[in-house]
Amino acid sequence: DAGVTQSPTHLIKTRGQHVTLRCSPISGHKSVSWYQQVLGQGPQFIFQYYEKEERGRGNFPDRFSARQFPNYSSELNVNALLLGDSALYLCASSPTGGYQPQHFGDGTRLSIL
Amino acid sequence: DAKTTQPPSMDCAEGRAANLPCNHSTISGNEYVYWYRQIHSQGPQYIIHGLKNNETNEMASLIITEDRKSSTLILPHATLRDTAVYYCIVRREGNTPLVFGKGTRLSVIA
Repeated sequence: DAGVTQSPTHLIKTRGQHVTLRCSPISGHKSVSWYQQVLGQGPQFIFQYYEKEERGRGNFPDRFSARQFPNYSSELNVNALLLGDSALYLCASSPTGGYQPQHFGDGTRLSIL
Repeated sequence: DAKTTQPPSMDCAEGRAANLPCNHSTISGNEYVYWYRQIHSQGPQYIIHGLKNNETNEMASLIITEDRKSSTLILPHATLRDTAVYYCIVRREGNTPLVFGKGTRLSVIA
């Protein structure tokens, strides 16, 4: 079975631009979470969506937004890009709840020039 | 902030067991211990998780102390492909977000 897929794999943008990152969860998984990983650090939680509703938000500015679609895929949007937004953006999916683990995609590498 | 403490780096000889420690002295009764690893340029890979009993799967074994304040991930026969950053995470039941620390960088040496 396919794992979590993310697109694009790499992206280069300039300051002030907007970016949309996409994620398709594992089949049957209804929850999607987004994480940001800057170089040398562990991933940091941005958003969690379940059944198309936001279920959690990390400490990120309003320039970051996301949504989940009826097929459980998800988009992460970042407006007014800053140099500090350069990072690996990771998507993770999981079944409905309990203690089941999240499974990650290989991320989108975003570089801001 | 992460609720776990791990050594920043460890070395292991190829073919030997790799024992990765993790301290989580403030763990609550409803919190599980999860282990992930991240190989360079890839997303984190789930390894194993447990509540209070020892757990084993095809990848590794997880040993949790009786007081649950620490745990050890064991890779029984480390290979060069096990070189990665290993993260120990304490997580409450209910699909709550994962809080990553800096993990342990394991280097498997031929």
